[in-house]
Amino acid sequence: NAGVMQNPRHLVRRRGQEARLRCSPMKGHSHVYWYRQLPEEGLKFMVYLQKENIIDESGMPKERFSAEFPKEGPSILRIQQVVRGDSAAYFCASSPPSGANVLTFGAGSRLTVL
Amino acid sequence: GQSLEQPSEVTAVEGAIVQINCTYQTSGFYGLSWYQQHDGGAPTFLSYNALDGLEETGRFSSFLSRSDSYGYLLLQELQMKDSASYFCAVIRPGGFKTIFGAGTRLFVKA
Repeated sequence: NAGVMQNPRHLVRRRGQEARLRCSPMKGHSHVYWYRQLPEEGLKFMVYLQKENIIDESGMPKERFSAEFPKEGPSILRIQQVVRGDSAAYFCASSPPSGANVLTFGAGSRLTVL
Repeated sequence: GQSLEQPSEVTAVEGAIVQINCTYQTSGFYGLSWYQQHDGGAPTFLSYNALDGLEETGRFSSFLSRSDSYGYLLLQELQMKDSASYFCAVIRPGGFKTIFGAGTRLFVKA
């Protein structure tokens, strides 16, 4: 039973390029959450999705950031026209429908913007 | 809005007991969770309290007082491998969004 799978683990982009981060939740989990973490800081909530639905995107920047969780395939966090301030670790977590009090995290995707 | 406060750093010796406190202010509250994160690693779930009182899981215990908007994580018989960051997190109703505190960095010394 594979855990939460995130890829790529490390991603390097130049300013102005696009970054796509993928997350496959644990088997049986239908809720996906994305968090951003800067070095030495806490986890900042970005977005909460269920299949084909964005439930809460109150933590997402208004521009350049988008997320989706299609009926088939992984959840994707997309960052357009990246800037140096986007450099961070992006963690995906999943939970089952009845167990949102326990989040299972992936290993994270570390984005570096040059 | 919501805010969580926890100490930024705690240092303790191997074999000792340490308590990490967390106070929260939130417009909605469903429960309080604790997560551990080692450097470069992913956060991992430790415990969850929905009701007042103490929950024990091995060397780790977690306490919640809803009336005081306060909780703590208690780590007993500290080991070097317990050196990590510990995050308290509030789960909010109406969507079960989990909001994390800034984390407490625990240093365990020999």
